[in-house]
Amino acid sequence: EDKVVQSPLSLVVHEGDTVTLNCSYEVTNFRSLLWYKQEKKAPTFLFMLTSSGIEKKSGRLSSILDKKELFSILNITATQTGDSAVYLCAVLRISNFGNEKLTFGTGTRLTIIP
Amino acid sequence: ETGVTQTPRHLVMGMTNKKSLKCEQHLGHNAMYWYKQSAKKPLELMFVYNFKEQTENNSVPSRFSPECPNSSHLFLHLHTLQPEDSALYLCASSSGTVHQPQHFGDGTRLSIL
Repeated sequence: EDKVVQSPLSLVVHEGDTVTLNCSYEVTNFRSLLWYKQEKKAPTFLFMLTSSGIEKKSGRLSSILDKKELFSILNITATQTGDSAVYLCAVLRISNFGNEKLTFGTGTRLTIIP
Repeated sequence: ETGVTQTPRHLVMGMTNKKSLKCEQHLGHNAMYWYKQSAKKPLELMFVYNFKEQTENNSVPSRFSPECPNSSHLFLHLHTLQPEDSALYLCASSSGTVHQPQHFGDGTRLSIL
């Protein structure tokens, strides 16, 4: 059975700190790993990682995938209160029916204290 | 504006009611999805539609009935739900290729009395 495990489950830090969120996975027919940010509404897409060892960056956020050790990390530097959210990790695979299937972790709830 | 619109935003219904959730995507995507998000549990995939055809049903009880009249619209018909069905129901769409991410709507918060 596919499994995506995120850690920590929750994290509280002060504004300006740097945080690292972890995601490990076990899936068959792996295609890519995605990170989403969910505040009160729709999960919004952050990164899609397909290749191992290539860092993706967007402003203060960055992420990298290790396909040998089956994990990914999401880094946020110089955190701001607007970074407070649940960060979801999901792994994309192709099902037996040829569909994209996303398997999600439970998320890491990040709280930034001003 | 996420490009995926869901209505209603909130829904309270009794166990004997029949209601429908609606999703519309304005992104020109070919695939649409229903997910259930319960408290402290991962998002669970319920149904997948590709080019209006249901291509996957993730062992969802028959009290949930999806409908996809065209590739821009997706419905989830609800009847005789149970209290444990209370959750956030999210719709997503994608181009259907593995190189493009799924985009989510804001969800419908469903409460069963």
